[in-house]
Amino acid sequence: QVQLQQSGAELVKPGSSVKISCKASGYTFTSYDMHWIKQQPGNGLEWIGWIYPGNGNTKYNQKFNGKATLTADKSSSTAYMQLSSLTSEDSAVYFCARGHGGPRDWGQGVMVTVSS
Amino acid sequence: DIQMTQSPSSLPASLGDRVTITCRASQDIGNYLRWFQQKPGKSPRLMIYGATNLAAGVPSRFSGSRSGSDYSLTINSLESEDMAIYYCLQHNEYPPTFGGGTKLELK
Repeated sequence: QVQLQQSGAELVKPGSSVKISCKASGYTFTSYDMHWIKQQPGNGLEWIGWIYPGNGNTKYNQKFNGKATLTADKSSSTAYMQLSSLTSEDSAVYFCARGHGGPRDWGQGVMVTVSS
Repeated sequence: DIQMTQSPSSLPASLGDRVTITCRASQDIGNYLRWFQQKPGKSPRLMIYGATNLAAGVPSRFSGSRSGSDYSLTINSLESEDMAIYYCLQHNEYPPTFGGGTKLELK
């Protein structure tokens, strides 16, 4: 069955960067978009962008341009999202989710806390 | 960006009730509409795709419908396991956008 296993919770300092991972199994990693979504308490869900691991193509929500960078490693079936210049507004749970067109099957989420 | 206006934001209901949640799209999205269920501390689960299609493993008491720019999720004969937050998502146009969520809770 499809599984998306995300890395563990992160506590990071303001101004720093963080890279979170999403290891896929149970399907052909290179054949599906991998989406990333942000969820803040009380603020609902925001789509960050997707990467197509088959060729590395990416598409970002303009709001996250310069904030998020999506990459993928075909050899390990792992997608990554790096978040840079972190502020308290970046504290959230981040999900990866595979799917064509939009997210379908979701990982368990990673809580990122930005605090000094 | 396309705005998805979801209502109600909170829905108290009793077991066995029939409930309906609605999302209104600010622009045409065709049938590129998905519904997700999220329980506390869990990731969202796909319930409906293509506005009306039941995702694999989803109980048949769930259904999706469309009337113009209004998209609805209906749950017949509510069960305790259905208590959760429900979100709609449009993916017709970038960026995909979610509704604000509906918290379904026991009355």
